[in-house]
Amino acid sequence: QVQLQESGPGLVKPSETLSLTCTVSGDSISGLHWSWIRQPAGKGLEWIGRIYISGRTNYNPALNSRVTMSVDTSKNQFSLKLSSVTAADTAVYYCARDGIVLGAPDAFDIWGQGTMVTVS
Amino acid sequence: SYELTQPPSVSVSPGQTARITCSGDALPKQNGHWYQQKPGQAPVVVIYKDSERPAGIPERFSGSSSGTTVMLTISGVQAEDEADYYCQSADSTGTYVVFGGGTKLTVL
Repeated sequence: QVQLQESGPGLVKPSETLSLTCTVSGDSISGLHWSWIRQPAGKGLEWIGRIYISGRTNYNPALNSRVTMSVDTSKNQFSLKLSSVTAADTAVYYCARDGIVLGAPDAFDIWGQGTMVTVS
Repeated sequence: SYELTQPPSVSVSPGQTARITCSGDALPKQNGHWYQQKPGQAPVVVIYKDSERPAGIPERFSGSSSGTTVMLTISGVQAEDEADYYCQSADSTGTYVVFGGGTKLTVL
């Protein structure tokens, strides 16, 4: 079955850039859309942005100026960069597949297990 | 910015029916989806497109929509249903994803 796995540093210094990668296994990354979502400890979910396989992106307006997403079809991976991080960016970061298979492209049908990133 | 509003908490006894609402101005135009999240786990979609249930989700989970509100109903609640539930939709243009603040379901 399709699985997503986030990877990247668990600790990032303030003002630096957070970089995460999501590796997709069990299916091709092509033809689908992919998102990043985060969750601070004890708080709710926040959508960071979406990347289409064409490379087009939509970012949360609240984070737009600091977010960059990219996709590498040869590695079946997509990535997130969040610049100028502060303590407020400390969260569990999830990658997720948009629910095209469900006929609901704006939903998320498969999630990674999440990776904790601390800014300190 | 666009917001979805959920009650912070809902409590029910086992076997009863739990109803969790989610309100947002764009919901008449955009689909609503629901996720269940248990402690330490990633969210799982339990309802999509207002009322569709993914394979493997128990039939006791159902969804409905009326005007600016979508609702998740869990009939015959079981102890294992205790979790946080999040609604999710998009803004009126369909460009940006929004999550509700989450509802903690407690099974008494």
